[in-house]
Amino acid sequence: EAEVAQSPRYKITEKSQAVAFWCDPISGHATLYWYRQILGQGPELLVQFQDESVVDDSQLPKDRFSAERLKGVDSTLKIQPAELGDSAMYLCASSLGRMSGEQYFGPGTRLTVT
Amino acid sequence: LAKTTQPISMDSYEGQEVNITCSHNNIATNDYITWYQQFPSQGPRFIIQGYKTKVTNEVASLFIPADRKSSTLSLPRVSLSDTAVYYCLVGDSGNDMRFGAGTRLTVKP
Repeated sequence: EAEVAQSPRYKITEKSQAVAFWCDPISGHATLYWYRQILGQGPELLVQFQDESVVDDSQLPKDRFSAERLKGVDSTLKIQPAELGDSAMYLCASSLGRMSGEQYFGPGTRLTVT
Repeated sequence: LAKTTQPISMDSYEGQEVNITCSHNNIATNDYITWYQQFPSQGPRFIIQGYKTKVTNEVASLFIPADRKSSTLSLPRVSLSDTAVYYCLVGDSGNDMRFGAGTRLTVKP
């Protein structure tokens, strides 16, 4: 069964450092999402791509977060500089299209900022 | 964005049927209702989606009354492995749906 791949699975970084997460969606899925999930809360949408274009980044803290999906396939989410409050699980999901409610999630990257 | 309200937590025992109700009073005409399941340290997993009446798959059933202001996820004969957080989402597209805090279901032996 096809899966969404994410790396790394775990990342520990010091505050003010830069950190990057990678996501490879299911082949053929045009829509890609990045979520942030703080322990005990539901996932919060950060950014949504349709192919290589950003559809929604209204909740992305653009002063320190950036995301790209240059060729419309895999994607990178970057934080620079990292802050203590960025400690969370970062989840990537993909779906066939933006109208699909069925999203397939990857295993996530657990970020700890010290 | 339609807002949803779910119980924070529920307890059940193995073999029982569990019903989790979600309230979405301001659901729009084009909105669908989608449920996800999440285990600790994993990403959410799609369970079921519906628009009206009843939808059933191999995992669960989704009941939606005519006014669509609420929905009920039904899990038949739960086991310990069904212990998870269950999220109800409402929207007409991927970025229109938002995860709330979900319902933490604990299944006891």
